[in-house]
Amino acid sequence: GAGVSQSPSNKVTEKGKDVELRCDPISGHTALYWYRQSLGQGLEFLIYFQGNSAPDKSGLPSDRFSAERTGGSVSTLTIQRTQQEDSAVYLCASSLSSGEANEKLFFGSGTQLSVL
Amino acid sequence: AQSVTQPDIHITVSEGASLELRCNYSYGATPYLFWYVQSPGQGLQLLLKYFSGDTLVQGIKGFEAEFKRSQSSFNLRKPSVHWSDAAEYFCAVGARGYQKVTFGTGTKLQVIP
Repeated sequence: GAGVSQSPSNKVTEKGKDVELRCDPISGHTALYWYRQSLGQGLEFLIYFQGNSAPDKSGLPSDRFSAERTGGSVSTLTIQRTQQEDSAVYLCASSLSSGEANEKLFFGSGTQLSVL
Repeated sequence: AQSVTQPDIHITVSEGASLELRCNYSYGATPYLFWYVQSPGQGLQLLLKYFSGDTLVQGIKGFEAEFKRSQSSFNLRKPSVHWSDAAEYFCAVGARGYQKVTFGTGTKLQVIP
């Protein structure tokens, strides 16, 4: 596609439910990143993929959070048993990077998650 | 591990005035440094980046940034701000040989007429 696509754009869920957030990176981009943006917190790193592998999962806040990437393309971020503090904008980015953080990141428009 | 600090949460400048947004990083060697902008209702866009060489880098929309190793800084500047520059600005750092990019907490810029 022309850009990074994220779905849904908005998700409202009840506390305790599971949610899945999807990211479609730019075709050919080997690197894929997930960030969380909360008010006053900036962009909080969650995880990145190189191909289908996730060398760094250090940013995942708890074991309720998981992510996978298949076929070197689409990625899904899953949050189990959502809590109110999970409410935020979840941003996905992709790049041509093949192991170095020297490539421009292309960001999607994000998924606004609201946990009631 | 690398980290980045943006000490100013919010800055207000008059249209036509000069602008400097501060960014300090923590990393043992020369990092990769970036500035991104997030305009209202729009996604994050790269303004400029520094890898090596000339410490003054030019970006889009008339922005520039200067890498100062002695101060561990990478401040963003613009000589004359336009109302359309109102946005949130993020400094980011990447470590060599590593793919992770770490962002700061952002500086929200307000431009008054």
